[in-house]
Amino acid sequence: KAGVTQTPRYLIKTRGQQVTLSCSPISGHRSVSWYQQTPGQGLQFLFEYFSETQRNKGNFPGRFSGRQFSNSRSEMNVSTLELGDSALYLCASSQIPDSTDTQYFGPGTRLTVL
Amino acid sequence: GENVEQHPSTLSVQEGDSAVIKCTYSDSASNYFPWYKQELGKRPQLIIDIRSNVGEKKDQRIAVTLNKTAKHFSLHITETQPEDSAVYFCAASIGTYKYIFGTGTRLKVLA
Repeated sequence: KAGVTQTPRYLIKTRGQQVTLSCSPISGHRSVSWYQQTPGQGLQFLFEYFSETQRNKGNFPGRFSGRQFSNSRSEMNVSTLELGDSALYLCASSQIPDSTDTQYFGPGTRLTVL
Repeated sequence: GENVEQHPSTLSVQEGDSAVIKCTYSDSASNYFPWYKQELGKRPQLIIDIRSNVGEKKDQRIAVTLNKTAKHFSLHITETQPEDSAVYFCAASIGTYKYIFGTGTRLKVLA
């Protein structure tokens, strides 16, 4: 089975712009979670989607949003980028939206905000 | 709020020695505890996990122990090798839908 894929792998944006990141889960996985990884803060949970519905959301401002499509692919959007948004954005998929179901990570999208 | 504390933040061991990383969680309802290994520039990879109805689980050189009463769990790596060098993250299930991660341990295995 192919693993979780994310596109693009690298992005450079300037402050004030917006960005959209994409995640394709493992075939058959219907739950997709997004995480922000920074050297100082580790892995911070952004949100989780299942059946095109946001099931849970972490403590991030409303500039961070996401959605999920009927084929379980997910996108996240960050509007009005700030320097502090520079990070590795990881998505992870699991079969079901249960916290006891193992999550498998994608390679991440490295976002740099200048 | 809910949190997972992970110690130490860095750990250096000689090749062949053992390494132990410890995590403490706050939510007594947590019942699933995965460990991920992240090599430089790569994605986190699940290396072992344990559920709350089990006290210990072993997979070759890697083992995880869980003490639900004390709310802590540990990763043990025996006979460490240079390829074990990476950042290790523990996590605990929080509520129904998500994990919360520890802040990571950078393990260096010295040849």
